[in-house]
Amino acid sequence: EIVLTQSPNTMAASPGEKVTITCRASSSVSYMYWYQQMSDASPKLWIYDTSKLASGVPDRFSGSGSGTSYSLTINTMEAEDAATYYCQQCCSTPPTFGSGTKLEIK
Amino acid sequence: QVQLQQSGAELVKPGSSVKISCKASGYTFTSYDMHWIKQQPGNGLEWIGWIYPGNGNTKYNQKFNGKATLTADKSSSTAYMQLSSLTSEDSAVYFCARGYYGYTYDYWGQGVMVTVSS
Repeated sequence: EIVLTQSPNTMAASPGEKVTITCRASSSVSYMYWYQQMSDASPKLWIYDTSKLASGVPDRFSGSGSGTSYSLTINTMEAEDAATYYCQQCCSTPPTFGSGTKLEIK
Repeated sequence: QVQLQQSGAELVKPGSSVKISCKASGYTFTSYDMHWIKQQPGNGLEWIGWIYPGNGNTKYNQKFNGKATLTADKSSSTAYMQLSSLTSEDSAVYFCARGYYGYTYDYWGQGVMVTVSS
């Protein structure tokens, strides 16, 4: 199965700061998906098909990448963005998730 | 609006089985796969399998073969997952999630916490 390695595991950012979370795949994947999970809540689809924002996601978020390297970027951090973000590959069975990046606000 | 309403938390004994439910509303239940995903504290998310309620077809993560059994009741728009021979390793939160173009998930249930303890 494809292993997804996220970095960093945890980080803290100040309001207005640019944030980048990376996800590396053990084999090439066609697309990457990202989910946001708030404490004690279900994950929400956040970015799909590598770079498309799910409905309601602020445009300060973006996704990019190809092959084995993908990233989620927040252009200007806001307090409401504090959450855990997971990457996920869809297209090699079984689908797998990264271990998550916990993003906190400074 | 699409909603997936899961059953309540379960406290079960080792060696027993548990069946949890996921009631769908706001869309055509038989037209989308329903996936099940396990989340253990600190262990991230694991895909268990899917069921297509339209015809009952299923596919499982090999790791969960023999552990999880997925079923669906079209008449009540409810998907079920039964977990058997429970051990402490099965203590986790279990989510149902609607499949979106295959193996991605656009709507999630609120999760069911299953605790295996004597």
